[in-house]
Amino acid sequence: EAQVTQNPRYLITVTGKKLTVTCSQNMNHEYMSWYRQDPGLGLRQIYYSMNVEVTDKGDVPEGYKVSRKEKRNFPLILESPSPNQTSLYFCASRPTGSSGANVLTFGAGSRLTVL
Amino acid sequence: DAKTTQPPSMDCAEGRAANLPCNHSTISGNEYVYWYRQIHSQGPQYIIHGLKNNETNEMASLIITEDRKSSTLILPHATLRDTAVYYCIVRKNSGTYKYIFGTGTRLKVLA
Repeated sequence: EAQVTQNPRYLITVTGKKLTVTCSQNMNHEYMSWYRQDPGLGLRQIYYSMNVEVTDKGDVPEGYKVSRKEKRNFPLILESPSPNQTSLYFCASRPTGSSGANVLTFGAGSRLTVL
Repeated sequence: DAKTTQPPSMDCAEGRAANLPCNHSTISGNEYVYWYRQIHSQGPQYIIHGLKNNETNEMASLIITEDRKSSTLILPHATLRDTAVYYCIVRKNSGTYKYIFGTGTRLKVLA
């Protein structure tokens, strides 16, 4: 089944303890991205990657890092999490190319709580 | 990419058509209109997209005005399972890969 898989789905951690949220897709998509969702603010893009070793900032990149060493994986790294990073996180992927049918496929989400 | 404006919430009776409007008055000629929906806190799900012509698939219909400044997503026979937040996005299909989802329209289908 074509899908985007995120882990962990739920995590409670403490301020300053480094954590990584993994994202993997099995559709051979070039493009991957991370979003956070907070009440009243909708989905906001954190980082995106056009392909292996190519990443760029979205609208809210502060406090996050990403890497794209393999096509299928795009981990989100919080080096020193803070309570304002408590949020629901989504990873998504899509093929590149100019077809209008190239749409985003989202993962199920990772709910992170930083105490 | 053009900005979109959607009403924050709407109600619809079960079995009736749900018509969700989206204003995108600054849309340019090569920008598509996409609709996604998010049920509870699940990952958003693609519904439909269009450029100029009206489109229909098994989930919904998309009506784009002739001047392309607005569009309407139509769920022809809404069910309780269609209760969700619906996002209208306008973007080019090349160049920048930023997506601006906004806060969408919260549709509640009433029994």
